Amino acid sequence: DVKVTQSSRYLVKRTGEKVFLECVQDMDHENMFWYRQDPGLGLRLIYFSYDVKMKEKGDIPEGYSVSREKKERFSLILESASTNQTSMYLCASSPPVSGPYNEQFFGPGTRLTVL
Amino acid sequence: GQQLNQSPQSMFIQEGEDVSMNCTSSSIFNTWLWYKQEPGEGPVLLIALYKAGELTSNGRLTAQFGITRKDSFLNISASIPSDVGIYFCAPERGFGNEKLTFGTGTRLTIIP
Repeated sequence: DVKVTQSSRYLVKRTGEKVFLECVQDMDHENMFWYRQDPGLGLRLIYFSYDVKMKEKGDIPEGYSVSREKKERFSLILESASTNQTSMYLCASSPPVSGPYNEQFFGPGTRLTVL
Repeated sequence: GQQLNQSPQSMFIQEGEDVSMNCTSSSIFNTWLWYKQEPGEGPVLLIALYKAGELTSNGRLTAQFGITRKDSFLNISASIPSDVGIYFCAPERGFGNEKLTFGTGTRLTIIP
């Protein structure tokens, strides 16, 4: 059974703290993604990676960075957390495109609150 | 950039009622995907459409890929409590690896 796990389900941090959100997938997928989910805004892509050590900006990368040192792990970093980064963060992975569509597999999410 | 509009934003329905939601875009796509997110979980792919005009069913779910390739519809018949969740559309152009744009979601609440 395919699995994407995220290091925490709930996280509370203070403004200015450095925050690490970890994501691990066991499906040997090349592609990994970080989204944030806010009511009424859907899922917005922060960063994605098509291979180890590769990263590309998504639609809302400001205030975030990522790291992909190993194929199975994709980390999202908030260098200096701010209250407007309070959100649900979802990680996803997908295999290389081999058919008419590319299914993404999601983790359960991390609900981050920045005080 | 492309605009993706999903409606309605939320629905409150009685158990047993039918549900209908849709996504429209200003751009043409080659594939429309529909995901469902249950409470406390990440989204899961429900149904994929990759032919314009295609109507696809999966149990009580029926989805259609609009003939203009700019829209898609998802219908759920005879809703049951486990249908609760947020439904997202996610169209693709199909040009190899690409980032997905998700709709804003339709939150479905079922009143017993």
